[in-house]
Amino acid sequence: DTAVSQTPKYLVTQMGNDKSIKCEQNLGHDTMYWYKQDSKKFLKIMFSYNNKELIINETVPNRFSPKSPDKAHLNLHINSLELGDSAVYFCASSQGTESSYNSPLHFGNGTRLTVT
Amino acid sequence: GNSVTQMEGPVTLSEEAFLTINCTYTATGYPSLFWYVQYPGEGLQLLLKATKADDKGSNKGFEATYRKETTSFHLEKGSVQVSDSAVYFCALSANDYKLSFGAGTTVTVRA
Repeated sequence: DTAVSQTPKYLVTQMGNDKSIKCEQNLGHDTMYWYKQDSKKFLKIMFSYNNKELIINETVPNRFSPKSPDKAHLNLHINSLELGDSAVYFCASSQGTESSYNSPLHFGNGTRLTVT
Repeated sequence: GNSVTQMEGPVTLSEEAFLTINCTYTATGYPSLFWYVQYPGEGLQLLLKATKADDKGSNKGFEATYRKETTSFHLEKGSVQVSDSAVYFCALSANDYKLSFGAGTTVTVRA
């Protein structure tokens, strides 16, 4: 009964390929996020969706495209992968349109992407 | 803009030692403050939180007090265990639809 699950856990691919990471949450939350964590553990938000609508879109290359088919799913598609895309990508969810005191983030266990 | 600065790691301690991780913030208005913990191989999870000045958040023996006068939210634990080895993130939310995280502090507790 995992709350936020993302697949795959590990993804190794070559430069130039296109890949997707899937995320699902069963918490009934209406906001979902993608974060990127680099090798120094620094965490940076990429996107946020509320009820399938994009509400946060940080400065991310347009090779990254999120897709939310419904409010329980937020997938991340990456085109033309580059070496610098290697990182751990975390999906998260919360209730409401803000990461407020009463609605902390719930994270998945991450997808470690390695681009060779 | 909103930002969080936390002490750099890594921090290595012996079991039963006292742990402090410093966190200071810059924000407009009155942010909510959080500590998240990331255990090896896992995602982040909320450790504790505070919403207004002088509030104290506590969980699993960890405490942090919201200090508006010093814009700080330092994390403390009186006696750490090996199982506390993790990366700790200070974060704030200032109603701009996202959390601002600190850079994370890696803590290793040795038996």
